[in-house]
Amino acid sequence: GAGVSQSPRYKVAKRGQDVALRCDPISGHVSLFWYQQALGQGPEFLTYFQNEAQLDKSGLPSDRFFAERPEGSVSTLKIQRTQQEDSAVYLCASSSRLESGTDTQYFGPGTRLTVL
Amino acid sequence: GQQLNQSPQSMFIQEGEDVSMNCTSSSIFNTWLWYKQDPGEGPVLLIALYKAGELTSNGRLTAQFGITRKDSFLNISASIPSDVGIYFCAGLPNTGNQFYFGTGTSLTVIP
Repeated sequence: GAGVSQSPRYKVAKRGQDVALRCDPISGHVSLFWYQQALGQGPEFLTYFQNEAQLDKSGLPSDRFFAERPEGSVSTLKIQRTQQEDSAVYLCASSSRLESGTDTQYFGPGTRLTVL
Repeated sequence: GQQLNQSPQSMFIQEGEDVSMNCTSSSIFNTWLWYKQDPGEGPVLLIALYKAGELTSNGRLTAQFGITRKDSFLNISASIPSDVGIYFCAGLPNTGNQFYFGTGTSLTVIP
């Protein structure tokens, strides 16, 4: 597609429920990033993929968070046993260069997760 | 996680006025990006900067990569109502793949 797409756009989960958030990057982009954006804050890095390899997951807040990109295209961010503090907008971004420092990131519209 | 110092936090200006906002870091950055985010949407890239001292324009927007590589600023000239939104800077340090984002500047343009 023309841009990064994410689904669902909105997700309401009960505390303890598992959720899966999907990201479709721009076609051909090798790099994919997940961010968490709390209300009134800037995005905070969660994890980074280069093709199917997860090269950096230092931003994942706990082992309840898991991301995958098995074929180097679509990515899924999974959150197990959701907690209220997981409520945020989850943003996906993709980039065309191998080294993220020499290219820019294009963001999807985000998934707003609300945990009750 | 680390966030860049972005100022001002919010601005209320009259239509037609110029706007200036900046971002500072304690670390040296290799790349600076400026984004605009509308409510319910993801950030949209405005300007990308890759070299210290670089000055880049995009229409009424101008951004500069600071000489020290620890700061950047964004100017908007002759503001219009559709400039309303939250502006974020983002920087990539010397090492790693992680972009760090500023805390955002909320811009309100009064017609």
